[in-house]
Amino acid sequence: EDQVTQSPEALRLQEGESSSLNCSYTVSGLRGLFWYRQDPGKGPEFLFTLYSAGEEKEKERLKATLTKKESFLHITAPKPEDSATYLCAVIFTGGGNKLTFGTGTQLKVEL
Amino acid sequence: ETGVTQSPTHLIKTRGQQVTLRCSSQSGHNTVSWYQQALGQGPQFIFQYYREEENGRGNFPPRFSGLQFPNYSSELNVNALELDDSALYLCASRRDGGTNEKLFFGSGTQLSVL
Repeated sequence: EDQVTQSPEALRLQEGESSSLNCSYTVSGLRGLFWYRQDPGKGPEFLFTLYSAGEEKEKERLKATLTKKESFLHITAPKPEDSATYLCAVIFTGGGNKLTFGTGTQLKVEL
Repeated sequence: ETGVTQSPTHLIKTRGQQVTLRCSSQSGHNTVSWYQQALGQGPQFIFQYYREEENGRGNFPPRFSGLQFPNYSSELNVNALELDDSALYLCASRRDGGTNEKLFFGSGTQLSVL
């Protein structure tokens, strides 16, 4: 069964304490992997798209990487404003154009 | 450039009633998708409309239906509401339904069914 699993479910960091969020997928024919940020009561906000193993994207304190089985979202020296839920989603062959989401990692960055 | 806008932002209905949610896609986008997000879960795909035709559907019963209009705005209709339909309903748009391009999401409609 095509599946997207994110870990950890929740993560608490001190300001400046770098860490990584994981997204593993078991889909046949990955066509794209997406990272979104979601604040409470809001819709997901697009961060990155990755298409092939070895690809990396960066934006401010965030860096996304992709292998054949998983993706990592690295957060360097996080600030309290980085607190949010981070969602991973994939598009895969045979899945049409729908995004299949994981359940997210809830990140809290404290002073 | 306006983003994806949804209305209403919040809605309370009772079991058995019907509801219509509305979405205006981002300028230049001809593809609209609807997702249901239960509390603590990731969004679940309901269906997608491309140039006024449904071109993809998730595992939702027929009482979930939709429309897309010539200006690419869209409606989600849910009949015979059930308690489990309580969720955040998200509309998303992209420029072309046949590509892997990113989706832009609206802020959602929070539906509560009592």
